[in-house]
Amino acid sequence: AQSVTQLGSHVSVSEGALVLLRCNYSSSVPPYLFWYVQYPNQGLQLLLKYTSAATLVKGINGFEAEFKKSETSFHLTKPSAHMSDAAEYFCAVSPGGSYIPTFGRGTSLIVHP
Amino acid sequence: EAGVAQSPRYKIIEKRQSVAFWCNPISGHATLYWYQQILGQGPKLLIQFQNNGVVDDSQLPKDRFSAERLKGVDSTLKIQPAKLEDSAVYLCASSFDSGNTEAFFGQGTRLTVV
Repeated sequence: AQSVTQLGSHVSVSEGALVLLRCNYSSSVPPYLFWYVQYPNQGLQLLLKYTSAATLVKGINGFEAEFKKSETSFHLTKPSAHMSDAAEYFCAVSPGGSYIPTFGRGTSLIVHP
Repeated sequence: EAGVAQSPRYKIIEKRQSVAFWCNPISGHATLYWYQQILGQGPKLLIQFQNNGVVDDSQLPKDRFSAERLKGVDSTLKIQPAKLEDSAVYLCASSFDSGNTEAFFGQGTRLTVV
């Protein structure tokens, strides 16, 4: 079975500050890991994915995430937040080889001017 | 390339009424998913189709929910009768292959049961 825990239902940052959204996973088999973004009244969009290749994964819009097996973590970061980054972010996990993820509860990113 | 289309975008019904949602996946995508996203939670997979066959419906409340994809293209999800706790966004997604390629999501249908 697979699950993810997203630490913090809301994260607030100032424009230009570092963005760090935390995700820890649990999986009985080597996992695939994903970060999705959901803008208001929109569907989910894949930001990036880890599929057992490089542990540092770069995605769209300047986001990246690092797979750390020893810490069972897959935290999402961006060096400098933009107002347009304000959205809901979901971490998700699937059994390796599958793209059918189990989602976390989501973290709402708030960006202040 | 057109994305996943869903309709309606919003629906308000009274409890015990029935409701249906429609999804048209990306052309050529064999796999179609329906997810339920309750406010404050992540999406939960309800059912997965491969062409017109059901692959996984283990989390579908079959006493009130049903889904079909008769011709292996578009799909409908029905709730009958609806309960207050069914209020959620219903997301449809599709992928080229069964779970082996990225799924693309539609904008969803927001259902409010009053």
